[in-house]
Amino acid sequence: GEDVEQSLFLSVREGDSSVINCTYTDSSSTYLYWYKQEPGAGLQLLTYIFSNMDMKQDQRLTVLLNKKDKHLSLRIADTQTGDSAIYFCAGGHGSGNTGKLIFGQGTTLQVKP
Amino acid sequence: DTAVSQTPKYLVTQMGNDKSIKCEQNLGHDTMYWYKQDSKKFLKIMFSYNNKELIINETVPNRFSPKSPDKAHLNLHINSLELGDSAVYFCASSVQGAAGELFFGEGSRLTVL
Repeated sequence: GEDVEQSLFLSVREGDSSVINCTYTDSSSTYLYWYKQEPGAGLQLLTYIFSNMDMKQDQRLTVLLNKKDKHLSLRIADTQTGDSAIYFCAGGHGSGNTGKLIFGQGTTLQVKP
Repeated sequence: DTAVSQTPKYLVTQMGNDKSIKCEQNLGHDTMYWYKQDSKKFLKIMFSYNNKELIINETVPNRFSPKSPDKAHLNLHINSLELGDSAVYFCASSVQGAAGELFFGEGSRLTVL
């Protein structure tokens, strides 16, 4: 079945770049997503990439997609303490009304001042 | 003005009890979802409804019964609660067919003693 995997924890210093990695198995995913969850809150969509793209940049966020290796990464430039959160990679499975997201287990990003 | 709101935010109850969680969205979306997040932060879809019609029903015990009185509301009723039901339950909504672009509520933390 479909599966999405991420490393569980990443610690960086404020001002450094963070790179969060994700691998997925469902090659039919048309879109791949990054969500952010702050403590005690729901998930918030950060960005997404269409499967025929290699890269997408959105301000401090850069998403890289290697479709051959089924590898997705999220780079956060100039990481701030406010970026401390859990980051979820997710792949779309199915389409239309029956579509759903398959989430990775989340990467906890700790940003040290 | 909260887009997706869930009540209650916290719920502590005894095994065997029945409880409900309510969700409302004011985004005008057609599709609503329930996701379950376990203690390891793993997030999995339970149900989705589109315009009050059940679309996705993952392998969830039939003690869980969702109800959608209208497209802006999706409630979750759980009978005969078990210890393993302890989790954070997230309601989410999306535009029809856009299952990847979810708007999440803040979650309802259920603790079964």
